[in-house]
Amino acid sequence: DIQMTQSPSTLSASVGDRVTITCRASQSINRWLAWYQQKPGKAPKLLIYKASSLESGVPSRFSGSGSGTEFTLTISSLQPDDFATYYCQQYNSYSEGFSFGPGTKVDIK
Amino acid sequence: QLQLQESGPGLVKPSETLSLTCTVSGGSISSTNYYWVWIRQPPGKGLEWIGSISYSGSTYYNPSLKSRVTISVDTSKNQFSLKLSSVTAADTAVFYCARRPVGSGMDVWGQGTTVTVSS
Repeated sequence: DIQMTQSPSTLSASVGDRVTITCRASQSINRWLAWYQQKPGKAPKLLIYKASSLESGVPSRFSGSGSGTEFTLTISSLQPDDFATYYCQQYNSYSEGFSFGPGTKVDIK
Repeated sequence: QLQLQESGPGLVKPSETLSLTCTVSGGSISSTNYYWVWIRQPPGKGLEWIGSISYSGSTYYNPSLKSRVTISVDTSKNQFSLKLSSVTAADTAVFYCARRPVGSGMDVWGQGTTVTVSS
């Protein structure tokens, strides 16, 4: 199985801050990585796919980068609506399963 | 606008089989460009990919659940289904169905349904 890790697990930030979340894979997943935002009691929302492609309708303050085993999600200027938990997910190989990272909770400083 | 809706029992007894259905509306499940996915989230925990199916019925399962999972599609009803056998309390979770375009992440999700495993 491909193991996904995220850091930090919790991040305290203020409105306007630049925020970066890191996701690492236990083996190369090329660029087959997605990022999701989840708010309490709600289904996740797709933000980024194929490591850096912005999903339609997602604000441009969200961006993704990386390839191979290390990836980042950046929020250029944190907005009140962005306080949530963020998950990465690899979708490199069906035989390995499409595993998620453990999540990063972004809360108010 | 495509919508997905999960349905099924909210309470399942230990050792029994959990069965859920996802009804797709506002679009066809038969499109060749999409996979149809089940994901779960135990209370207070993270997301777990259970498996997915293509319109043609090709299935892909989480290796850790493969022995207990069956995903099927009914194109006549525009639905796909999940069966998880021999459930235990550890299978208690919110279950989501979702659509995944080829090459992308899961872009449309159902609202989720809570399943509790308890006698």
